[in-house]
Amino acid sequence: QQQVKQSPQSLIVQKGGISIINCAYENTAFDYFPWYQQFPGKGPALLIAIRPDVSEKKEGRFTISFNKSAKQFSLHIMDSQPGDSATYFCAARANFGNEKLTFGTGTRLTIIP
Amino acid sequence: GAGVSQSPRYKVTKRGQDVALRCDPISGHVSLYWYRQALGQGPEFLTYFNYEAQQDKSGLPNDRFSAERPEGSISTLTIQRTEQRDSAMYRCASSLGTSNLQETQYFGPGTRLLVL
Repeated sequence: QQQVKQSPQSLIVQKGGISIINCAYENTAFDYFPWYQQFPGKGPALLIAIRPDVSEKKEGRFTISFNKSAKQFSLHIMDSQPGDSATYFCAARANFGNEKLTFGTGTRLTIIP
Repeated sequence: GAGVSQSPRYKVTKRGQDVALRCDPISGHVSLYWYRQALGQGPEFLTYFNYEAQQDKSGLPNDRFSAERPEGSISTLTIQRTEQRDSAMYRCASSLGTSNLQETQYFGPGTRLLVL
């Protein structure tokens, strides 16, 4: 049972454009939603994270939008750069006491010049 | 400072052999997690520890898989009688703690296991 659904599977965006990756979840006990960035041959690295008490969080060119009622959240990358080309995973974690991360299936992002 | 390290980075073994995968977390990190990542998929939770106590092993696929962290630092994931379906990337992560502001999980480079 896939608890976090991620789309699209792959995405090609022109340099300078906006990259948008979407995730949806079922478990209402989830209360922490991180996004991880993974380059080939490397482990996933935390990019940005949000809690459901806010609808948006922005860090530099990266923004998470969160819709609690729809149980959806998305990553927006503004002014996308070739260095942003990587695989992005959304994840979710339930309330304190159940600390495992449940990951989406990943989005392979390619930024073309 | 040093991040999470894992060894070996690559392991090729024959079906039926036992393998031991090692994880060295970031110094001082209380929590340690094991995940398995299939090609083209996100990491899938296996088990995790707070200090030396195994808190959750619900993700271990079967009783051939076990993990320990006897001194609350280095951890070993052991797979007995390996099968071809065990082939995957095994990732370790650690976090300072589990409460807010300590929950970020830092991942290691992984051990690529290939069972022939």
